[in-house]
Amino acid sequence: DVKVTQSSRYLVKRTGEKVFLECVQDMDHENMFWYRQDPGLGLRLIYFSYDVKMKEKGDIPEGYSVSREKKERFSLILESASTNQTSMYLCASAIGGLVREKLFFGSGTQLSVL
Amino acid sequence: SQQGEEDPQALSIQEGENATMNCSYKTSINNLQWYRQNSGRGLVHLILIRSNEREKHSGRLRVTLDTSKKSSSLLITASRAADTASYFCVSAGNKLTFGGGTRVLVKP
Repeated sequence: DVKVTQSSRYLVKRTGEKVFLECVQDMDHENMFWYRQDPGLGLRLIYFSYDVKMKEKGDIPEGYSVSREKKERFSLILESASTNQTSMYLCASAIGGLVREKLFFGSGTQLSVL
Repeated sequence: SQQGEEDPQALSIQEGENATMNCSYKTSINNLQWYRQNSGRGLVHLILIRSNEREKHSGRLRVTLDTSKKSSSLLITASRAADTASYFCVSAGNKLTFGGGTRVLVKP
């Protein structure tokens, strides 16, 4: 079975801190994604990557950056955390290609910024 | 804002009953997918239906797709308490668009 592992289940950070969320997949997938999920707003795409060192902005990239130095790892970085970035963060991976047919999700990281 | 819409937003049924939820989308698609999310966890892929298909079955799941109406439905038959979760449709066109989800509660 494909496994997508997010490094932390719960995280509490202070305003202004730099925050790293790590995601690792073990199925050699080309595509990796970062979403945030908020009540009433559903899942929103922050960034995605279709190859090593490649990245594309999603719908809400402001305040975030990403890094993909190795195929299996996709990191989400909050340069200076703010309270409005308190959310559930979900990483996903998918096989390559233009048509996305199946996303594999990690268990999520619930981030609280105080 | 959400481009995909699901209804109902919440559904409460007794174990053994069927659960039906609907999804509408706005743009042309290659496929439509349904996912389940247990409370506070990641999403799990359930089933995919391609744009040239009208109906698909997988175990107790039945999905229909009407591209003329830009809508899909997911039916869970003979529901179990373990089916309690949120269900999301995802329309796959040029991009993936998530619906807002339907929260299903199956009471034992």
